[in-house]
Parts: sequence; structure tokens; C-alpha cells
Amino acid sequence: SQQGEEDPQALSIQEGENATMNCSYKTSINNLQWYRQNSGRGLVHLILIRSNEREKHSGRLRVTLDTSKKSSSLLITASRAADTASYFCATDAPNTGGFKTIFGAGTRLFVKA
Amino acid sequence: DTEVTQTPKHLVMGMTNKKSLKCEQHMGHRAMYWYKQKAKKPPELMFVYSYEKLSINESVPSRFSPECPNSSLLNLHLHALQPEDSALYLCASSQDGFEAFFGQGTRLTVV
Repeated sequence: SQQGEEDPQALSIQEGENATMNCSYKTSINNLQWYRQNSGRGLVHLILIRSNEREKHSGRLRVTLDTSKKSSSLLITASRAADTASYFCATDAPNTGGFKTIFGAGTRLFVKA
Repeated sequence: DTEVTQTPKHLVMGMTNKKSLKCEQHMGHRAMYWYKQKAKKPPELMFVYSYEKLSINESVPSRFSPECPNSSLLNLHLHALQPEDSALYLCASSQDGFEAFFGQGTRLTVV
């Protein structure tokens, strides 16, 4: 069963605009991660935020975590055509010591040049 | 070397065939994973080898069997697959259970 659910399922924006994707999850977590997947290829780890953190930045990425609402958001600022990809949130499955990462449904982002 | 290498990249097999997918990493990671991904769906965890111990997603049918010959290699043996097993099979590794490094996947088609 999926731990994380994301919205929107798909997002289309113009280059230069910001893209925001949201993730909700069901059970308590130790941390939450975001991954990117270009069409039909492997996933690339973007950022990890721990349950005691509220916000984290990495380059053009900003991630927030609200454990009271069991939700996270990924903001990509000043988007580029190369950001076109699927983005997944991922959480560690409960009581697994962190070695069972469960992925959300994903958001497909399309950035128009 | 931060790469996870999967072979083959593409595989077409019949329902009576036996084949194997291979995965290799040289990052010294102690956990390796197999995921199955259908089109427009998230990856689903199939197996985890962490510290030489196997964990299985119990929904995975027995026609899939993992093998971990050493800490750098992970194989997935396939036997008597069904057309619905056609998918992208992803291997990943991690040191601490987080920040997984993924291979580029094997695109499997069962005919």
C-alpha cells in the first residue's frame, strides 16, 4: 500500500515559473525524501528532510514538512525545461528501521520552454 | 563511483523462459533493493537485502527470486512470468536506508 499520496498528479507550467508539489502520508515517519525520475529511467535522490525539521533548501529546491498534518511540499523555483520529470515523495515504512522506502503516486511536471 | 549498474537494459522473454536481471554497486552500500514500476505508477518495493538479511514484500509472487552473491551484487531470477509482469525493474542501493541510488532499470517485456 502506498504511504504517500501526491497532488497534483500532473502539472504544466512555463519556464521561469515556480512549481509546487504536495505529498501527504498516513503514518508517523522518521524522515521524508523527494526523488525525480526522467521518463522511463532510474530515480535520482533530491533531498531528505527529517521529522524534526520544518524546512530545507537545496539550490532551487525548497521542501517543507508539517508532521501535524502529515504533509510535505516541494517547491522548484525558476523552473527550466530540464526540470520536466516525475517527482515522488518517499517515506520509510513504519517499524522497518529505514530500509523499506515507500513511494507516493508522484507528480508529473512538464515545463514548457 | 556513485553508480548502480543494471543489466540488461531491455529484456523480452517468453512465459516459459528463465532469465536473470543483474545489479552491481561499488559504493560499499550495505542495502540493496529491487523495485517494480509499471507505467505512470510509483516504484513498488519487491525485496530488500540489508546487512545480508533478506526482506520480502509478501505480495511478490514466487516466480521472482532474489539472490545476493556478495555485498556488491544483486540478482533477480525470473521464471514462468506472466504478461502482467512486464514492467521497469529498478535496482537501488543505500548505506543507511535513506538516499537510495538507483540504476537505470531493466525494461522487461513478457510475451
